[in-house]
Amino acid sequence: GAVVSQHPSRVICKSGTSVKIECRSLDFQATTMFWYRQFPKQSLMLMATSNEGSKATYEQGVEKDKFLINHASLTLSTLTVTSAHPEDSSFYICSAPDPGQGRNTQYFGPGTRLTVL
Amino acid sequence: AQTVTQSQPEMSVQEAETVTLSCTYDTSENNYYLFWYKQPPSRQMILVIRQEAYKQQNATENRFSVNFQKAAKSFSLKISDSQLGDTAMYFCAFMKMGNTPLVFGKGTRLSVIA
Repeated sequence: GAVVSQHPSRVICKSGTSVKIECRSLDFQATTMFWYRQFPKQSLMLMATSNEGSKATYEQGVEKDKFLINHASLTLSTLTVTSAHPEDSSFYICSAPDPGQGRNTQYFGPGTRLTVL
Repeated sequence: AQTVTQSQPEMSVQEAETVTLSCTYDTSENNYYLFWYKQPPSRQMILVIRQEAYKQQNATENRFSVNFQKAAKSFSLKISDSQLGDTAMYFCAFMKMGNTPLVFGKGTRLSVIA
């Protein structure tokens, strides 16, 4: 299947700082990527849809000014958690539809574990 | 809105035995995709199997097969000859046609016992 990478895999930061997470499609172009959040022992919840060359679409209850998404190229989407607080500590995962399969299958990055002290 | 329900929070199975994980969903769409993803302790989401709703034939991938009942909106996963490496969280997911996100169930934690 297609390969999606994420960086960093783990980050620990102080409250009030900003953290940037990168999601890259390594062997295909992705005009759309999706960002999910997973709290411990819970399922994945969609945060936002990242669209190359246009604004991201956020799910209800997700603050767009806090979770900044930039999809500057066909292989890279970034999620920046601004002024992070302990309640933002979570596992963040991105996914991208594989155009080689008619965009009907999504492949996931390995995830980023964010801990805010 | 679509919803996905997994009614079994935890299950266990003896090594080499067969286990079935349940999943039901609700949608008004006629064409869509259904998936089972595996999440081991590493937390990497791994695609197990995919089913197109317009196909009547149940999908099969080696030891993994599904029982897709479109009218009942049911999509169960059968794992045959269970192996220790199958121990993981399993998520059932729904996706509409097009460039759309996945909707996940709450997951089933499967433990394979030696």
